[in-house]
Amino acid sequence: DVKVTQSSRYLVKRTGEKVFLECVQDMDHENMFWYRQDPGLGLRLIYFSYDVKMKEKGDIPEGYSVSREKKERFSLILESASTNQTSMYLCASSLSKGLGSFDEQYFGPGTRLTVT
Amino acid sequence: AQSVTQLDSHVSVSEGTPVLLRCNYSSSYSPSLFWYVQHPNKGLQLLLKYTSAATLVKGINGFEAEFKKSETSFHLTKPSAHMSDAAEYFCVLSGTYKYIFGTGTRLKVLA
Repeated sequence: DVKVTQSSRYLVKRTGEKVFLECVQDMDHENMFWYRQDPGLGLRLIYFSYDVKMKEKGDIPEGYSVSREKKERFSLILESASTNQTSMYLCASSLSKGLGSFDEQYFGPGTRLTVT
Repeated sequence: AQSVTQLDSHVSVSEGTPVLLRCNYSSSYSPSLFWYVQHPNKGLQLLLKYTSAATLVKGINGFEAEFKKSETSFHLTKPSAHMSDAAEYFCVLSGTYKYIFGTGTRLKVLA
């Protein structure tokens, strides 16, 4: 069974702090993704990575950066947390099927981040 | 352009009655389609997937979906709802280098 784990289920940080959200998958998937989920807005893609040290901006990358130094680990970094980054953050991973298409995603349990 | 439309934002059914959650898609090529379920404060769990092998796809927990190319639909059904099915459901299309999510359908199951 694929397992995607996230470092924290709940996190409370202060405005201006640097925040690290960690995601680890154990099935040797090439692709990893970070989403945020907000009521009424659905899931929005922040960044994704299709290989080690590779990253691509998603739909809402502003205020975030990512790091993928090892295949199994994908980190999301909030350089200077702000209250509008209070949200549920979901990590996912998937295999590639070739020609730019992906197989199903496996999601972690989510991190509910509150910035005060 | 590729897109996914979930036709109902909320669906209410009584326990023991059938469930129908509707999803239409738009894609210029044969898509891969998925249904996910999300229980409160949890991640998304894969219910089933369509990848062109068979048009009727069976998933976990008694759910199934039928891919209909002529109608560009991929509706999710279950013969008999259970209280534990109350959750949010997402229809997802695998596009080119990205996934396209529907806006979700919240299923309420009444006792």
